[in-house]
Amino acid sequence: QSALTQPASVSGSPGQSITISCAGTSSDVGRYDFVSWYQQHPGKAPKLVISDVSNRPSGVSNRFSGSKSGNTASLTISGLQPEDEADYYCCSYTTSDTQAFGGGTRLTV
Amino acid sequence: EVQLVESGGGLVKPGDSLRLPCVVSGLIFRDAWMSWVRQAPGGGLEWIGRINSKGGGGTADYAAPVKGRFIISRDDSQNTVILQMSSLKSEDTGIYYCTWMGTTTRIDSWGQGTLVTVSS
Repeated sequence: QSALTQPASVSGSPGQSITISCAGTSSDVGRYDFVSWYQQHPGKAPKLVISDVSNRPSGVSNRFSGSKSGNTASLTISGLQPEDEADYYCCSYTTSDTQAFGGGTRLTV
Repeated sequence: EVQLVESGGGLVKPGDSLRLPCVVSGLIFRDAWMSWVRQAPGGGLEWIGRINSKGGGGTADYAAPVKGRFIISRDDSQNTVILQMSSLKSEDTGIYYCTWMGTTTRIDSWGQGTLVTVSS
């Protein structure tokens, strides 16, 4: 069982927006602004798309954005494109000085 | 460009040990915080542990499922981080990724992964 809870799947049509939630606790997501999101295409290594809740690394499309409210973080992808179809994982720093991943969400475009 | 190359994966029996080295280039390795993440077949990502830079204390922290069985170490002279696994179980089967943490709380780069299969 993953430490953070994500929906198993979400879907959207090209051009639409979707949001993936990541529910944690007051010991991880709710305690720190250290939530990151990773995109993983089949057979590939994951790639960082959002760090520290809402920071977008250089080279990542501005269609990706992140936010947090209480113990829940969210990743929003706007203007969906076919290449956005992938698995997405949230990850948070915890009070145990460890990292915890969510179970992952499969995005279908 | 940061590159991480893992090796050492393979098929082992339950109870066996395995050593996974990861050679890193493209950054000042001695200052780097490194971690390992694994992914079971068809499953999600699981954080295994992290080793700090020598300047950060050089200590390692581990996830509960591997604590006491896995050890992460580093050889700064060889730009290498090592995952030493012992008392392997079938549930340790998966792809093991070596990662670079650009800050203490996020993973900036990933290796291509090495597959470990634990089966009798």
